[in-house]
Amino acid sequence: GAGVSQSPSNKVTEKGKDVELRCDPISGHTALYWYRQSLGQGLEFLIYFQGNSAPDKSGLPSDRFSAERTGGSVSTLTIQRTQQEDSAVYLCASSPAGDGANVLTFGAGSRLTVL
Amino acid sequence: TQLLEQSPQFLSIQEGENLTVYCNSSSVFSSLQWYRQEPGEGPVLLVTVVTGGEVKKLKRLTFQFGDARKDSSLHITAAQTGDTGLYLCAGSGTYKYIFGTGTRLKVLA
Repeated sequence: GAGVSQSPSNKVTEKGKDVELRCDPISGHTALYWYRQSLGQGLEFLIYFQGNSAPDKSGLPSDRFSAERTGGSVSTLTIQRTQQEDSAVYLCASSPAGDGANVLTFGAGSRLTVL
Repeated sequence: TQLLEQSPQFLSIQEGENLTVYCNSSSVFSSLQWYRQEPGEGPVLLVTVVTGGEVKKLKRLTFQFGDARKDSSLHITAAQTGDTGLYLCAGSGTYKYIFGTGTRLKVLA
């Protein structure tokens, strides 16, 4: 696609429920990143994909968080047994290659609210 | 752990004033990027600097990368209301982009 698409744009859930957030990167971009942003602050790195592999998942906060990427394209971030502290905007970005010198193109984010 | 600290955290100024935002780290980065983010949207790249001491200009915005590639600054001349937003610096190594804590700028008419 022309840009990075994320869905849903807004998700309100109850504590303890599972949620799935989807990211559709720019076609042909091999690198994909997930970040978390709380209260309009800086971005916290969660996980990096190169193709379908995740060489760096060091930012995932706990084992309740997992992510996968299929076909070198769409990625899904899953949060199990959500907690109130999981409330944040989850941003996905893609770039042509994960070499640290490329432009990151971000989606508009998925705002998660855990009640 | 690599950290990027930005200052100030918040800045509210009148249209026409000048301002500087700082991005500091104890780590060396191979390149540094500046992004601007508006409400409800993802960050959008403004500039990438890769050489220590490098200065880049984008209209009224001037970006500088420190000689040691650990810090950077963003200077805005004659700020306009359209400059309002969250400014984020991001340092990169091999593949990972570490984002700063952010500076929220509000330019008043």
